[in-house]
Amino acid sequence: EAEVAQSPRYKITEKSQAVAFWCDPISGHATLYWYRQILGQGPELLVQFQDESVVDDSQLPKDRFSAERLKGVDSTLKIQPAELGDSAMYLCASSWNTGELFFGEGSRLTVL
Amino acid sequence: GEDVEQSLFLSVREGDSSVINCTYTDSSSTYLYWYKQEPGAGLQLLTYIFSNMDMKQDQRLTVLLNKKDKHLSLRIADTQTGDSAIYFCAESSPGGYNKLIFGAGTRLAVHP
Repeated sequence: EAEVAQSPRYKITEKSQAVAFWCDPISGHATLYWYRQILGQGPELLVQFQDESVVDDSQLPKDRFSAERLKGVDSTLKIQPAELGDSAMYLCASSWNTGELFFGEGSRLTVL
Repeated sequence: GEDVEQSLFLSVREGDSSVINCTYTDSSSTYLYWYKQEPGAGLQLLTYIFSNMDMKQDQRLTVLLNKKDKHLSLRIADTQTGDSAIYFCAESSPGGYNKLIFGAGTRLAVHP
């Protein structure tokens, strides 16, 4: 069964360092999402791509976060510099067009 | 604005029915979803309902939608210990790009 792949599963870093997360969506899914889930809360959309274009990044802290999906397939989310408040699970999801989002296992970030 | 609210915790006895409730604010949402998240994992779609329906049944799951009150519920019949997880309600945000707004999640604990 096709899955959304994410790496790394866990990342521990010190504040002010740079971190990057990678996501490979299900083949053929044009829409890719990065969500952030703080412990005890629901996922919050950071950025949404349609193919290689950003269609929603209204909640992305653009001073330190960046995301790209250069060829419209896999995607990278970067944080530089990381802050203590960035500790969270970063979830990638993809969808075709029906509204069903398929989520990866997530990348858990701990900033010390 | 868009907002999805859920009660935070529900405890039930194994074999009983569980009912998880959710309220949403955007009456123009096309679809409403229920996702399940097990510890340390991503979100898994359980079921969804189109906004012009008032009920959907899928094996042990029953979704009820009251559009007038903007109230959504998920009933799990014959709840099992494997159903212990966090359940998220989500609404689709109108605007063409299928953005999902999630609630904070309801933690379901099933005890013998």
